[in-house]
Formats: sequence, structure tokens, C-alpha cells
Amino acid sequence: SQTIHQWPATLVQPVGSPLSLECTVEGTSNPNLYWYRQAAGRGLQLLFYSVGIGQISSEVPQNLSASRPQDRQFILSSKKLLLSDSGFYLCAWTAARTNEKLFFGSGTQLSVL
Amino acid sequence: GENVEQHPSTLSVQEGDSAVIKCTYSDSASNYFPWYKQELGKGPQLIIDIRSNVGEKKDQRIAVTLNKTAKHFSLHITETQPEDSAVYFCAASKGGYQKVTFGIGTKLQVIP
Repeated sequence: SQTIHQWPATLVQPVGSPLSLECTVEGTSNPNLYWYRQAAGRGLQLLFYSVGIGQISSEVPQNLSASRPQDRQFILSSKKLLLSDSGFYLCAWTAARTNEKLFFGSGTQLSVL
Repeated sequence: GENVEQHPSTLSVQEGDSAVIKCTYSDSASNYFPWYKQELGKGPQLIIDIRSNVGEKKDQRIAVTLNKTAKHFSLHITETQPEDSAVYFCAASKGGYQKVTFGIGTKLQVIP
């Protein structure tokens, strides 16, 4: 069966520090991968998606970047965090063939202080 | 682009009662409507979905209805239980999750 791993679960970082969140998917090949952000009391905002290694599409301009160095690995990064980067970050995948049902990771709660 | 409105934002029901969450969408080209349940501190999980060629779908105590003409769809939970307490998100998509749009979420509390 397919599983998605996302870490760390919680992270407290000072303003101006770098960020690296990692997500891996097991049990499937060539998934479509996504990073979402969820601000407190808000809906889900799509940040990045990837349909293959090295292929990244950005949905909103921001202080963050994403990379996909391997088929089932998706990384969210920042060189210098802002206060506004605080939120709940979710990685998700869909099967490339159907590209419909989203499967989310357990999320990372990021607090920038 | 697509706009999905969801209401109510919070909903409290007594255990055993029914709960209804409603969503409207703006883009008539949307053809896939999933619902997600998010428990505290966890990622959302797909609980039911419906396509535009279907008017209603049911899975045990949950059901979803779709009115394409009015561009609205609803989630119905019957015989609610405390474990149904969570945040529920509706979404609309024209195909492929690159373009899915989520509602703002409804926090459901089931009171024992």
C-alpha cells in the first residue's frame, strides 16, 4: 500500500533562518506531488506541484521554493524565513494516471518567531 | 478562477442528529467534488467524492448531493457520533489537482 511521510511534525524557527521540509512517498511510482499551506482558521492554499523529477510549478509568488530531487521525494525550502511563513504545511500526492484523489501527509506545524 | 464558498464555518450538533455542510462553486466547468475530513493536528483525508454526472452518492452515514444547475453541493452526515468531530473541507476541480479549489472549512462539533 502507499504511504506518505512528512517531517518534522513541528518546527520553531527564528526569522531569517533557513527552512527545509521533506516529504517522501512509498508504494507508488511517478506520483504527482504537492505542497499546501494552511494558515490558522483558513483553507488550503496550493504552493507548489510537481509532475516529475526536477519539474516544479509554483502557484503563488512567495518566499519559498520547492525541489524534487528523486521520483518520490519533495522538499520545501526557504533561504530566509519570514513571520508570515508560519502555518501548517502539508505534502500530498496523487497517482499520475488518475490525478484525482489527494492523499495528504500528517503535516508540519511551522512557527516563525 | 474558481471560487468555492463553504458554510457554516462552525456547526454544533447533538450526538445522533444530522449535520449538513453546504458549498457553492463558481466555475461551471468544474466536474469533480471531493470532501475531506481533517482531525486536529493531522492531514485531511478524503471521505467521499462525486462527479458532475452524478446527483447523489452515499457511503454508510455520509452522503453528498450535487446540483449542477445551481452550482452547489452538500455533505450530509446522519446519526452523528463524537468521532465525527473534525474540520470538513469541500473542494471543486476541473480535472487534476493542480487546479483544485478548497472551501474554507467547517468545524463540526458533535456533543455527546
